[in-house]
Amino acid sequence: GQQLNQSPQSMFIQEGEDVSMNCTSSSIFNTWLWYKQDPGEGPVLLIALYKAGELTSNGRLTAQFGITRKDSFLNISASIPSDVGIYFCAGQLYNNDMRFGAGTRLTVKP
Amino acid sequence: KAGVTQTPRYLIKTRGQQVTLSCSPISGHRSVSWYQQTPGQGLQFLFEYFSETQRNKGNFPGRFSGRQFSNSRSEMNVSTLELGDSALYLCASSARDSRNSPLHFGNGTRLTVT
Repeated sequence: GQQLNQSPQSMFIQEGEDVSMNCTSSSIFNTWLWYKQDPGEGPVLLIALYKAGELTSNGRLTAQFGITRKDSFLNISASIPSDVGIYFCAGQLYNNDMRFGAGTRLTVKP
Repeated sequence: KAGVTQTPRYLIKTRGQQVTLSCSPISGHRSVSWYQQTPGQGLQFLFEYFSETQRNKGNFPGRFSGRQFSNSRSEMNVSTLELGDSALYLCASSARDSRNSPLHFGNGTRLTVT
């Protein structure tokens, strides 16, 4: 179920701007995952993080696994219109249970 | 590799009916999880199957059930449908045989109960 605090809930930005969103929890996670969901589609895995402190990039996306294992952030640089969608964080506990954030709805104005 | 495939994509049912949704995981993935997604509640975990056995179950009534076949394909059944069951039902598969096995989602089945 949903037990991650994801912020912001929504963002309205201009094309070309950078974006930052994060997730926090009181629980310690084994893995942090970031997904993007377009309308009418399922969430697509963007980045997976497996070690505390790990910083991973996927094109214009960069995500980090917090040192405390209780948080993660996702940055998108130089946003483009196709970045529009809902971004979800997910944490995987050591027993493989998953927790999800409520999502950040991103709108990019051309 | 083909992704997670869910059928049907859309379904309209009336209250009291029952429905079966199908999910074919990524080849080689033995774990299949089901989630209900609604605007108000977000992603809610229903259950997980691994090697034909239910490993975890979320907090949903007994009207929601599932099963997994020997080829890892899974089905989810909802009986005596209620209006509140209208949602996007997502299936996700993972390898689950290593620590680094993230969930990969299908495009979901949009169920509307009238």
